[in-house]
Amino acid sequence: NAGVTQTPKFQVLKTGQSMTLQCAQDMNHEYMSWYRQDPGMGLRLIHYSVGAGITDQGEVPNGYNVSRSTTEDFPLRLLSAAPSQTSVYFCASSYTDRRGYTFGSGTRLTVV
Amino acid sequence: KQEVTQIPAALSVPEGENLVLNCSFTDSAIYNLQWFRQDPGKGLTSLLLIQSSQREQTSGRLNASLDKSSGRSTLYIAASQPGDSATYLCAVIEYGNKLVFGAGTILRVKS
Repeated sequence: NAGVTQTPKFQVLKTGQSMTLQCAQDMNHEYMSWYRQDPGMGLRLIHYSVGAGITDQGEVPNGYNVSRSTTEDFPLRLLSAAPSQTSVYFCASSYTDRRGYTFGSGTRLTVV
Repeated sequence: KQEVTQIPAALSVPEGENLVLNCSFTDSAIYNLQWFRQDPGKGLTSLLLIQSSQREQTSGRLNASLDKSSGRSTLYIAASQPGDSATYLCAVIEYGNKLVFGAGTILRVKS
C-alpha cells in the first residue's frame, strides 16, 4: 500500500515553461486536493476534487489547472510558470466522510 | 472565513518534559480536527484525528482534545524526546471536506 505518491520530488523551471506535477493514490479515496506551502503563509488549498470528473477551485487557483479522469490520479498543471509559483506542493487524499487526510511527500518547485 | 491559530509559534524544552500545543479556530462549525507532524523538508504525517462528536483521542504519548464550542484544541505530548522535534500542524476539516491549517508550532526537544 503506497499511499499518496507525488512525482517529481524536485523541479527547476524557467519562467514561462509549463509542467505537470503528478499525484496518485491507491486507497480508493474519493477526495483529492493540492496544497502549496510557503514560509509565513502556511498551507493553502489550490484545487480539489470530490470524485472522477469533478474538480473545483480552492483559495489560490490562479495559474494552475487540474483534471480528474480516474479515482487514482489528480495531476496539477502549471500553464506558464512564474517565480511566484516557487513553493512546495503537496497532494492529499481522503474519504468523503471526513475520516482524515493522507499527504504525499511533496514536490519542491523552483521557478527562475 | 475560518482562521486557525497555533500558539506558541516555537517552543524549546529539555528532554523529558510534558508539553502542550494549542490550536484555536474562529468558526465552530467544523466536522473534525486533525493534528499533523512535519519534519524539515518532508511531508505531513497524521498524528491524530478527532471527530466532532469526540472530546479527545490518544495515541501513545500523544493526547489531543477538542472543545468545539470554545473553538479550541490542544495536543499534549508526554515525556518529550529529541525525536519529537518537528513542526506540529493543526487543521480543521470543515464543510466540503476542506482542510484549513494553522501556521504550526516548531518544537525543539533538547537532549
